[in-house]
Amino acid sequence: DGGITQSPKYLFRKEGQNVTLSCEQNLNHDAMYWYRQDPGQGLRLIYYSQIVNDFQKGDIAEGYSVSREKKESFPLTVTSAQKNPTAFYLCASREDRGGNQPQHFGDGTRLSIL
Amino acid sequence: DAKTTQPPSMDCAEGRAANLPCNHSTISGNEYVYWYRQIHSQGPQYIIHGLKNNETNEMASLIITEDRKSSTLILPHATLRDTAVYYCIVGNQGGKLIFGQGTELSVKP
Repeated sequence: DGGITQSPKYLFRKEGQNVTLSCEQNLNHDAMYWYRQDPGQGLRLIYYSQIVNDFQKGDIAEGYSVSREKKESFPLTVTSAQKNPTAFYLCASREDRGGNQPQHFGDGTRLSIL
Repeated sequence: DAKTTQPPSMDCAEGRAANLPCNHSTISGNEYVYWYRQIHSQGPQYIIHGLKNNETNEMASLIITEDRKSSTLILPHATLRDTAVYYCIVGNQGGKLIFGQGTELSVKP
């Protein structure tokens, strides 16, 4: 989707390393989300943030951390505590003005373990 | 767990209408029905959403039954580029969407 940029597109991590995935949006959206997708599966929510300097755990937050210091940025760190980090990671954003606006997604980052 | 049930796969002839069903019998009164699609190795693309009235946009039409327990996404003239996994999702203002397995639509020439 235009306006949501995820980088890098492919990322490789060594065992025991933390890595940070970038998500930037220029849509002036209030809410941002991180999902994980495994092969042949649907998306699972990791973390979400509805306002700057605030965020909540999703269904599979263990081994991940986030920050929301700026409205347009919501980076995700995959820590060494995440034992199975190989997956497709998707960031989304949403305009939160009380009308059930849909989430819009970036093109994802594919993370692999070396 | 996903709140929706969709057939795992469907075929459609190019140029014909594709009708993708979704059951959401436990939908709450304030929950909307959203449809997304995902082409391999890309992020999901928003298609359409609705509460109880039928909706239409440049991509598709959404038909929601009167009791809101099921809906159908209609792609009026399917093309090969419509081949994708289609997700039907119910959600509310919290913005949390629960994705199920979706329907893999194959449009064939």
